Amino acid sequence: ETGVTQSPTHLIKTRGQQVTLRCSSQSGHNTVSWYQQALGQGPQFIFQYYREEENGRGNFPPRFSGLQFPNYSSELNVNALELDDSALYLCASSSPSRSSYEQYFGPGTRLTVT
Amino acid sequence: GESVGLHLPTLSVQEGDNSIINCAYSNSASDYFIWYKQESGKGPQFIIDIRSNMDKRQGQRVTVLLNKTVKHLSLQIAATQPGDSAVYFCAENIKNQGGKLIFGQGTELSVKP
Repeated sequence: ETGVTQSPTHLIKTRGQQVTLRCSSQSGHNTVSWYQQALGQGPQFIFQYYREEENGRGNFPPRFSGLQFPNYSSELNVNALELDDSALYLCASSSPSRSSYEQYFGPGTRLTVT
Repeated sequence: GESVGLHLPTLSVQEGDNSIINCAYSNSASDYFIWYKQESGKGPQFIIDIRSNMDKRQGQRVTVLLNKTVKHLSLQIAATQPGDSAVYFCAENIKNQGGKLIFGQGTELSVKP
């Protein structure tokens, strides 16, 4: 186990609704990255937070937003949900004492949009 | 998107055999590569990494080879075990683009006892 936790495990939402996913990073890690993984595909980078500020963003629309808190936990918010947002959402944390590229993933939140 | 394909390549091996999983990357500015293992219902698990100034790195039962000339990465698993059955992803980091990892489409490894 990596020590990265995510909640909830599963979630079902209706198109047009809003959702908030949560992530607690591994102890000592101050960088959190979020990824979207569609079925049968590799994870796609959404954005990264370092010391409570966004530190890079992938090709996702503004309705995908995030926060990082002083304890380094993080939230991913998605507004105006679309059917294509159905996916596994992964959070990964990394350690300031190692390369920021070595990321440790949580188990993910499975979001289904109907 | 940067990770494409709906049909995962599959590799089926006999328990005890060696496995080789391949990955092609596209960006010559990538300077760091990671292999992840993802079991059903779980998040990706770090296996081994390699920097672009190396061409080989060994871990416990695993070896990663990097050929920058043809932009090719491979993961070798020695004495494959049933517990190695999973989807394996390579991921690359492009220099000066922060901590963004770009994942390949993945290969499903099935180990027959």
